[in-house]
Amino acid sequence: AQTVTQSQPEMSVQEAETVTLSCTYDTSENNYYLFWYKQPPSRQMILVIRQEAYKQQNATENRFSVNFQKAAKSFSLKISDSQLGDTAMYFCAFRGSWGKLQFGAGTQVVVTP
Amino acid sequence: EAGVVQSPRYKIIEKKQPVAFWCNPISGHNTLYWYRQNLGQGPELLIRYENEEAVDDSQLPKDRFSAERLKGVDSTLKIQPAELGDSAVYLCASSLGFRDDEQFFGPGTRLTVL
Repeated sequence: AQTVTQSQPEMSVQEAETVTLSCTYDTSENNYYLFWYKQPPSRQMILVIRQEAYKQQNATENRFSVNFQKAAKSFSLKISDSQLGDTAMYFCAFRGSWGKLQFGAGTQVVVTP
Repeated sequence: EAGVVQSPRYKIIEKKQPVAFWCNPISGHNTLYWYRQNLGQGPELLIRYENEEAVDDSQLPKDRFSAERLKGVDSTLKIQPAELGDSAVYLCASSLGFRDDEQFFGPGTRLTVL
């Protein structure tokens, strides 16, 4: 069974600064997808970024980028130029061949002025 | 395009009472998911529908939980009777297909069982 571990319960960052969230996972599969979701207080889960395991190039979406280390089974998210609207819970998720999403416990990001 | 709609947003009930949650997925999405999110944790899948067929309900506590997706569109998740441990956020999501398609989530229903 796959497991997803987020070891940082909470991260605080000042506006315009950069914060990096860590995520590790365990799987025996070779082809899979990894995701970062954002959940603001409104509770709606929003997809931030996705990474296909077969792609060596790290995914980037505007201020969000990932560092995917397949051999180490590590998938960190970097938020650059942090904005107050980035305050939310961030969940790392894994999807393997069965298609089922497995989420980590989440990291609360707080952006301060 | 309208997103996934869920109702109610909040529900407070006493234990042993029944409760139902409703979900309307994005138009044209064949796959529908119900997740439960306990406080301080990530969502966990309860059941997945492909059109009107429940194809993955291995995590659904079948003694008290039931779900249906009539006509392959709207879905209802029911708990009867509710227990204190059922307090959680219940999220509905939908996607065009299953394996490679993005899941879009609704705002969830926060259930409190007293």
